[in-house]
Amino acid sequence: KAGVTQTPRYLIKTRGQQVTLSCSPISGHRSVSWYQQTPGQGLQFLFEYFSETQRNKGNFPGRFSGRQFSNSRSEMNVSTLELGDSALYLCAGQSGTDNTGELFFGEGSRLTVL
Amino acid sequence: AQSVTQLGSHVSVSEGALVLLRCNYSSSVPPYLFWYVQYPNQGLQLLLKYTSAATLVKGINGFEAEFKKSETSFHLTKPSAHMSDAAEYFCAVSGFNNNDMRFGAGTRLTVKP
Repeated sequence: KAGVTQTPRYLIKTRGQQVTLSCSPISGHRSVSWYQQTPGQGLQFLFEYFSETQRNKGNFPGRFSGRQFSNSRSEMNVSTLELGDSALYLCAGQSGTDNTGELFFGEGSRLTVL
Repeated sequence: AQSVTQLGSHVSVSEGALVLLRCNYSSSVPPYLFWYVQYPNQGLQLLLKYTSAATLVKGINGFEAEFKKSETSFHLTKPSAHMSDAAEYFCAVSGFNNNDMRFGAGTRLTVKP
């Protein structure tokens, strides 16, 4: 079966711009989580969506937002980009209704902010 | 709150040597524990997971981990390292009451010929 698809894979933005990243989980996976990965901070949890509802949220400012559609595809948006937002953004899908199962990760979207 | 701590950000072993990557967890509920591997420019891939069925968990690529409640540890081992094992390894924890999975800082494994 098809894996988790993230688009775009690479993008470059300038400070102050906004960006939207997309994630399509494996068919049937209703939970989608987003993580920010940087060399200094490691993997930081952004938020998780389940059946179009944000179920949990990490400790990020309001510039970071997301949503999920009825087909489980998810988008995350970062507004007013800062240099420190440069990172690899990973999304992960999960089957089941709780978060005790395996996460299936995409290859990530690498964002560079200049 | 649940968390994991990985001891050692970098581990270097010779090919054929034992691999030992350390992970300690903190959890107020029975934890679900995981080890993931990340190769360069890729997402994370599950190596193995502990779900209370057995304390010794076998995963892919010859890796295994042992859950020790008394030590709150879930260390990852492999008897004989291979060059292809060079990657970054992450320990993670989740639980019934938490709707997110928390990751350790990662351990970069280098395998020397």
